[in-house]
Amino acid sequence: QKEVEQDPGPLSVPEGAIVSLNCTYSNSAFQYFMWYRQYSRKGPELLMYTYSSGNKEDGRFTAQVDKSSKYISLFIRDSQPSDSATYLCATYGSSNTGKLIFGQGTTLQVKP
Amino acid sequence: DAGVTQSPTHLIKTRGQQVTLRCSPKSGHDTVSWYQQALGQGPQFIFQYYEEEERQRGNFPDRFSGHQFPNYSSELNVNALLLGDSALYLCASSLLGSDQPQHFGDGTRLSIL
Repeated sequence: QKEVEQDPGPLSVPEGAIVSLNCTYSNSAFQYFMWYRQYSRKGPELLMYTYSSGNKEDGRFTAQVDKSSKYISLFIRDSQPSDSATYLCATYGSSNTGKLIFGQGTTLQVKP
Repeated sequence: DAGVTQSPTHLIKTRGQQVTLRCSPKSGHDTVSWYQQALGQGPQFIFQYYEEEERQRGNFPDRFSGHQFPNYSSELNVNALLLGDSALYLCASSLLGSDQPQHFGDGTRLSIL
């Protein structure tokens, strides 16, 4: 079983739609969770960084962590064509480690 | 504020050769991590450097080695290149600590012929 699992998609939505991107993780000890956005031929760009359970909002983006079900989500409101990219979830895993563990990434296309 | 910069952006090598990739961290960061990203996959952790020492290593062979300099910049060296080493190599910088987010450069795309 992979430590972080993510549906690779692709996911295609019309402009203005609400997008839900999801990951599951295997170890309940994981505490720090990140979402990165990666455009083609670019490096991952940090979007959201959360600790433990709960919600965090930043503009059109909301990150949600449900530790009871080991499930993390990223919601994008009023999606735009410029949101078309690959979204990667990641976690640090256990404490005192510098190793980020990534999901496979979900490719999102927002159609005008 | 300059972000993480990597060079070169693209490199073509043949099997058996050696390659060196370079990374300058974001201003204020002291920790550098390297990742390998195959096409259609998430990045895989290679190793992390702090205070010029390898602090942690992922599941990569000894052909992969690195270095960190006193100015916090870093190099990734790969010896005896294999076709399977073709990938995007990403450098990330941060402050030390698993509560610190990592910021990535745009990577070096390595193609092995």
